[in-house]
Order: sequence, then structure tokens, then C-alpha cells
Amino acid sequence: GAGVSQSPSNKVTEKGKDVELRCDPISGHTALYWYRQSLGQGLEFLIYFQGNSAPDKSGLPSDRFSAERTGGSVSTLTIQRTQQEDSAVYLCASSTQGTGDGETQYFGPGTRLLVL
Amino acid sequence: KQEVTQIPAALSVPEGENLVLNCSFTDSAIYNLQWFRQDPGKGLTSLLLIQSSQREQTSGRLNASLDKSSGRSTLYIAASQPGDSATYLCAVYGNQFYFGTGTSLTVIP
Repeated sequence: GAGVSQSPSNKVTEKGKDVELRCDPISGHTALYWYRQSLGQGLEFLIYFQGNSAPDKSGLPSDRFSAERTGGSVSTLTIQRTQQEDSAVYLCASSTQGTGDGETQYFGPGTRLLVL
Repeated sequence: KQEVTQIPAALSVPEGENLVLNCSFTDSAIYNLQWFRQDPGKGLTSLLLIQSSQREQTSGRLNASLDKSSGRSTLYIAASQPGDSATYLCAVYGNQFYFGTGTSLTVIP
């Protein structure tokens, strides 16, 4: 079956514009995660969904960042009024149940965002 | 295809012990290697990132080494604490992430 897909693969935007990133998890996976990786930095956790609800929003760096998940499937990460420091690769992952005890997370290819 | 293996799969130690987790990978063409911690109900937490040109990185009680030519990395945890109990994952990044199988660590008070 298909893995985790993300779109767009690359996005170039101007400072101040809003962007929307999409993630399609593996069918049947209840847990979905958003991360970002800035140049030279480790993976940074942003938000985690269990079904359609987000029990952990602690990683969102500011109120310009929001995410939603509908139908227990597709998720969108929205960044409003983008800043240059938002430039990074945004990665989505999904897992079967989200139990966290060594459960494999399957990563998408990422969206490379560049804010000019 | 890259394969990442972690040994041991599970480890239980008394509080205060120093310990080493091992990670091996088959393809040395990587950009970096990361060690993560995974807690129930949480996303992954990145602990240490080693670029392919580096040999080691340190953060607090954690030290990670990388020997790219032999396809090995170790995570050294000094003076372990019960709060260190979690699953530890290593991942190499080439054109995508390849994760290891994880080591489940339990630190007994």
C-alpha cells in the first residue's frame, strides 16, 4: 500500500504570506505527527494527533502555526504570516496507534519550505 | 536499501549506572545520524544530531559517537535516572529517514 504522502514537495513563499502543508497518512493509522527540521538542526516535534484530536500541541512554536485533521485521515499544517525563520523541511509521520512504546512511525518525504 | 539495527532491544539497569546503546547501519552514504527518545503519547524528541563529518556530540549526560566508515553509532548515558526510561531510536538521514528498531530502556530506582 501507499506510504505517507505530503504536498507540496517544495514551496517558496514571500515573507508575510500564509502557507498550507498537507499530509496524507497511511490508511488506518490513527496517530499522526508533524515535525520540522531546520538546516543543521535536529528533528523538532510540532504536534501530534490521535484521531482528529490533538492531545499534544506543545511543540507549535507560535500562534502563527495551527494544524487540523479531519476524518481521522488528512492533516493540514497552516503557517500564517510566514517569517524567514520558518524555512525548514516539514515532515509528517503516522503510526498505527500512537502508543509511543517503540511503535514505528512512518515518515513522509517532507515539504521543503523556503520563505524569502 | 539502508538497514538500521539497534542492540540491545531492551535494557534494564539500576539508577546511577552508566550505559551504552548501539546502532549500526549498512549504507555509509548519510548526511547525518540522530538519536531520539520516544515516550508514550508523545512525538519523538531529538536528543543529539551528528553530521556525517562529525565524530561525536555531547549534551548533558548524553554523548553520541559516529563512525561512518564502520556504520556504527553509540549513545552513552551517564549516571542514569528513572526519568531516562523510554524507548531510544537512532535514525540515519540520506534521502529520507531510516529508523532503527529501538532500545527500550528501564532505569530502576
